[in-house]
Amino acid sequence: GAVVSQHPSRVICKSGTSVKIECRSLDFQATTMFWYRQFPKKSLMLMATSNEGSKATYEQGVEKDKFLINHASLTLSTLTVTSAHPEDSSFYICSASRGRMGDTEAFFGQGTRLTVV
Amino acid sequence: AQSVTQPDIHITVSEGASLELRCNYSYGATPYLFWYVQSPGQGLQLLLKYFSGDTLVQGIKGFEAEFKRSQSSFNLRKPSVHWSDAAEYFCAVGTDKLIFGTGTRLQVFP
Repeated sequence: GAVVSQHPSRVICKSGTSVKIECRSLDFQATTMFWYRQFPKKSLMLMATSNEGSKATYEQGVEKDKFLINHASLTLSTLTVTSAHPEDSSFYICSASRGRMGDTEAFFGQGTRLTVV
Repeated sequence: AQSVTQPDIHITVSEGASLELRCNYSYGATPYLFWYVQSPGQGLQLLLKYFSGDTLVQGIKGFEAEFKRSQSSFNLRKPSVHWSDAAEYFCAVGTDKLIFGTGTRLQVFP
């Protein structure tokens, strides 16, 4: 199966700083990548969808200036949490797809635990 | 409104017992349907998916799910649960992006 790697798996940062999370498709080209946020004991909430070379499409209620998403290549997307605050602490998960849903599935990274102190 | 409901927040079964996890959805058209499993602190692993065709789909680890259009349901089943199946299970539906249910935590007693 296809492999999606997320880095780092855990990060602790100080309030007010920015942190970048990488999502890489290791053995396939991902035309679309998705970023999710998961609160404790809660479901995954889609934050944004990004297509290679295009601006990300953010879900309603997600601050695009706070959660910067870049999909610079077919194998890499990054999520940057800018001016992080403790309420941004969460589990962030990316997924990548090499085609349209219905033609193929999306593959998930292992997630990044962000703690803002 | 589009939504996915997993009515059981927490299920406990004995090892070797059968399992059924419920999933109902509300969607404008028939979406693609998925079941994922998540171990603590980990990402999601796809168990099975339904795109079209036979409404009974087989997945990995001995799981299967049945799509019932009339009931807008996609319940996950396993005839004999193993201790290693203890995890969080998510149902998801969508056509271009996924909507997830709130998950069902499965606990397995020896």
